[in-house]
Amino acid sequence: AQTVTQSQPEMSVQEAETVTLSCTYDTSENNYYLFWYKQPPSRQMILVIRQEAYKQQNATENRFSVNFQKAAKSFSLKISDSQLGDTAMYFCAFMRLTSGTYKYIFGTGTRLKVLA
Amino acid sequence: DTAVSQTPKYLVTQMGNDKSIKCEQNLGHDTMYWYKQDSKKFLKIMFSYNNKELIINETVPNRFSPKSPDKAHLNLHINSLELGDSAVYFCASSYSNTEAFFGQGTRLTVV
Repeated sequence: AQTVTQSQPEMSVQEAETVTLSCTYDTSENNYYLFWYKQPPSRQMILVIRQEAYKQQNATENRFSVNFQKAAKSFSLKISDSQLGDTAMYFCAFMRLTSGTYKYIFGTGTRLKVLA
Repeated sequence: DTAVSQTPKYLVTQMGNDKSIKCEQNLGHDTMYWYKQDSKKFLKIMFSYNNKELIINETVPNRFSPKSPDKAHLNLHINSLELGDSAVYFCASSYSNTEAFFGQGTRLTVV
């Protein structure tokens, strides 16, 4: 069975600094997708970044980048120049094809607090 | 303009009642989902529909019944509500192999 593990329940970072959130997953599949979602206090789930497993290049979206290590089954999120608005729960998610559709499995989340 | 919209945003109801949560997406996606987020923020898939057809039905009590009248709508009906059903329910949609877009969630409180 696929699992997604986020080992850091809570983290904090000073504004303008860099923070890395960790995520590991377990799968025997070769083709899959990985995502980071952000859930601010508003409750809305917002896609932060996406990585296809077949791509070796790490995805980057502005201040957000990932370190994807396929062999190690690791998918960490780096937030550079942290801003107060980055305060949120962050969920790592794994998606694979199953029963003819794509199924997400989410990690338990990391609560990130950006300090002024 | 909202891509995935759920109604209502908040729902407070008594045990034993029957309630529905509606979801609509205007993105033209072919797949829609219902997720449950519990008090510890754990997100778990409940159902997935592809082109109005039920594809994933996780271990969910049969008091929960999804209904997809068309590709743009996936409603969730819950019978005989129990205290343990209190949670935030998220609707989401996607094209088959792309990221899901989520609604704003419905906070259900059963008293």
